[in-house]
Amino acid sequence: AQKITQTQPGMFVQEKEAVTLDCTYDTSDPSYGLFWYKQPSSGEMIFLIYQGSYDQQNATEGRYSLNFQKARKSANLVISASQLGDSAMYFCAMREPRGSTLGRLYFGRGTQLTVWP
Amino acid sequence: GAGVSQSPRYKVAKRGQDVALRCDPISGHVSLFWYQQALGQGPEFLTYFQNEAQLDKSGLPSDRFFAERPEGSVSTLKIQRTQQEDSAVYLCASSLGGQRNSPLHFGNGTRLTVT
Repeated sequence: AQKITQTQPGMFVQEKEAVTLDCTYDTSDPSYGLFWYKQPSSGEMIFLIYQGSYDQQNATEGRYSLNFQKARKSANLVISASQLGDSAMYFCAMREPRGSTLGRLYFGRGTQLTVWP
Repeated sequence: GAGVSQSPRYKVAKRGQDVALRCDPISGHVSLFWYQQALGQGPEFLTYFQNEAQLDKSGLPSDRFFAERPEGSVSTLKIQRTQQEDSAVYLCASSLGGQRNSPLHFGNGTRLTVT
């Protein structure tokens, strides 16, 4: 079974508008971390935001916020006030620190976001 | 440097050649990971080191792939007898530890093309 599912291969948003990128995850471990990364065409993976499974509040980092719905196993990324520079591939990832996986990150297939003027 | 450094940035190899990809992690980072990213896909786990110990190599696709981190710092991913299906971007990442709240910091990757 897929650990991370991103169902939107591509999304389009107009500059200055908000956009939500979907992510669902699958784990039986009560302790886990959820991450979003941005990958521009240059190829670098840029860490954006983190949400812990025990965190009571949704994480926020500047224009990025994470809509964490634990019961639904959902961790959607919300980008407010989109900018042209936000155009990139976005990956959702999960880390399970215990057990045999030893803290590796599992990635989804990504969502290509295009911001238009 | 402040970030994860990978070299070379690009590598073209003829089928059957051996290649070596280098990763210099962030100073002090205990954990080091190698990932393989095919075009249009998310990164796939290859192997994981904690200091010099290779704790997980379950993601290596064949015995042609070998990784080492002899002194717990710089790591090398070696691919022997390269095949066309090895063409991908190889990403190295490091983190302070294996805790769930410790993000992985990635290098820019090495784009390997096997002709």
